[in-house]
Amino acid sequence: GQNIDQPTEMTATEGAIVQINCTYQTSGFNGLFWYQQHAGEAPTFLSYNVLDGLEEKGRFSSFLSRSKGYSYLLLKELQMKDSASYLCAVMDSNYQLIWGAGTKLIIKP
Amino acid sequence: GAVVSQHPSRVICKSGTSVKIECRSLDFQATTMFWYRQFPKKSLMLMATSNEGSKATYEQGVEKDKFLINHASLTLSTLTVTSAHPEDSSFYICSARDTTGSMETQYFGPGTRLLVL
Repeated sequence: GQNIDQPTEMTATEGAIVQINCTYQTSGFNGLFWYQQHAGEAPTFLSYNVLDGLEEKGRFSSFLSRSKGYSYLLLKELQMKDSASYLCAVMDSNYQLIWGAGTKLIIKP
Repeated sequence: GAVVSQHPSRVICKSGTSVKIECRSLDFQATTMFWYRQFPKKSLMLMATSNEGSKATYEQGVEKDKFLINHASLTLSTLTVTSAHPEDSSFYICSARDTTGSMETQYFGPGTRLLVL
């Protein structure tokens, strides 16, 4: 079967760095997405990786290793507003999205 | 495994026809489901919130007469794109809210790719 694994919950300190991991097993691969979702709001697009390597976008970076079926989202200089759920999703060979359950990130002062 | 399914996964239709997309929660009851549209730049736009047994709540700019939503049961919501036009071609994603556990969780469906010719 197809599945995406990511930690259920993580806690980090304001100003620090946190890495949220995502491992996947899917039938085919057409890219991996990271979304941020605050409670009661729609997900916000953060990144899309289709090639191996690191994509940096401000305080957020996303890494992909297709051979390992692995990605991570790196958040630097954490701010309280970064407290949210982070969703990992993979587009499979049929261009269907396989979603992880999301990682709830709690930022403490 | 998947907890939210969508049917069909992809559909091609002629301009002017209507298309119905189903969203099902597979092993939980969802009083609330959401319909999104994914744009080419990967952003998700919330179209509407579907509430079981009552009218859907549409986001600003979304035509409720064009995108008909019905949430007739606790496990099924449908989105009907009426009189579809090529500009309606997109990837439609639904999600369902699971409030049965200690932590409210939103599960997303695999999406439906609509192409209007």
